Amino acid sequence: LAKTTQPISMDSYEGQEVNITCSHNNIATNDYITWYQQFPSQGPRFIIQGYKTKVTNEVASLFIPADRKSSTLSLPRVSLSDTAVYYCLVDSGYSSASKIIFGSGTRLSIRP
Amino acid sequence: ETGVTQTPRHLVMGMTNKKSLKCEQHLGHNAMYWYKQSAKKPLELMFVYSLEERVENNSVPSRFSPECPNSSHLFLHLHTLQPEDSALYLCASSQDSGNEQFFGPGTRLTVL
Repeated sequence: LAKTTQPISMDSYEGQEVNITCSHNNIATNDYITWYQQFPSQGPRFIIQGYKTKVTNEVASLFIPADRKSSTLSLPRVSLSDTAVYYCLVDSGYSSASKIIFGSGTRLSIRP
Repeated sequence: ETGVTQTPRHLVMGMTNKKSLKCEQHLGHNAMYWYKQSAKKPLELMFVYSLEERVENNSVPSRFSPECPNSSHLFLHLHTLQPEDSALYLCASSQDSGNEQFFGPGTRLTVL
């Protein structure tokens, strides 16, 4: 199983760039890497997904090295509203519950 | 709004009660999921439905019984629950399993 490991928590300040790294040493060839954001008492929300190298959208960038054993979510110029839990998920896209594993997530706190 | 609705938003039940959680998605997706999120624990995938067929039961106790009458609706029938079943129950949908999941707001369940 491609289990993921993330820091439990991170702190930063408004306007800074935040990078959250996720380790997934057992990632399989067919696995994609997906990041979700979750606010308290809400369901997670998709942020970005990638397979290799770099993916960028209007919200974040995702950096994946060649060995794909880790990935880094980069949030540019964070604001207070980015305070949330961020989950890294590795999933092959098959309908297997055992392959869809959300880790403990990283609790990001943004200060003024 | 994510296009996934859940009712009720809050539910308190005794251990002998029978209740049902409802999820509805308005996105035309063909895969639906039930997750459990306990306090300070990772999201746990419970069930996956693809094209209205259950494709995975992730070792969930039989006191939880899912039902997917059509691709837009998903139910979780509850009976003889235990206090440790108190949690946030989240429903999600995706266009084919493994793709970006859209989560509902969740049902906060308390078992007395």
